[in-house]
Amino acid sequence: KQEVTQIPAALSVPEGENLVLNCSFTDSAIYNLQWFRQDPGKGLTSLLLIQSSQREQTSGRLNASLDKSSGRSTLYIAASQPGDSATYLCAVRGSGGGADGLTFGKGTHLIIQP
Amino acid sequence: EAGVAQSPRYKIIEKRQSVAFWCNPISGHATLYWYQQILGQGPKLLIQFQNNGVVDDSQLPKDRFSAERLKGVDSTLKIQPAKLEDSAVYLCASRPRGLAGLTDTQYFGPGTRLTVL
Repeated sequence: KQEVTQIPAALSVPEGENLVLNCSFTDSAIYNLQWFRQDPGKGLTSLLLIQSSQREQTSGRLNASLDKSSGRSTLYIAASQPGDSATYLCAVRGSGGGADGLTFGKGTHLIIQP
Repeated sequence: EAGVAQSPRYKIIEKRQSVAFWCNPISGHATLYWYQQILGQGPKLLIQFQNNGVVDDSQLPKDRFSAERLKGVDSTLKIQPAKLEDSAVYLCASRPRGLAGLTDTQYFGPGTRLTVL
């Protein structure tokens, strides 16, 4: 059974700092990995999706890397801003055919202090 | 393009009562998912539909939970009877049928927050 772990569970940093969120998964047989952002009272917003054959994806100030063999991914946020405050969730999609529901970690609750 | 719609947004019920949630996916999306997110946890898949057929319901507590997707569009998730531990946010997501890449993204609705007293 796939398990996804995110470290740290919570993080509070001053505005402008670069930061790294970590995600690990137990079964390397994944189809892809996604990072989501969740704001209070709202649904999940996809930030980056990395296919299993890829090593990294970038979008603006965000960069996500994937090391499938070691079961690890990192989300790098450059020059953090107060608007980045949210919960960040890592999720993997298994490679088992049509059943492709995501397995999520518990998330990292991020606070960027102005 | 309209997003995934869910209703109601909030629901408070007593334990042993019944409750139903509704989801309208993005137009044309063939695949629909229901997830349960308990406070402090990540979402957990309950059921996946492809059109109006069930693909995966291995984590659905079938003694009290049921779901249907008539005509392959809207879906309802029902809990009967509810327990205290069912208090959670119920998220609906949809994905277009397609090849790998951008079409693999699941689009999530805002969720229904259920409180069971």
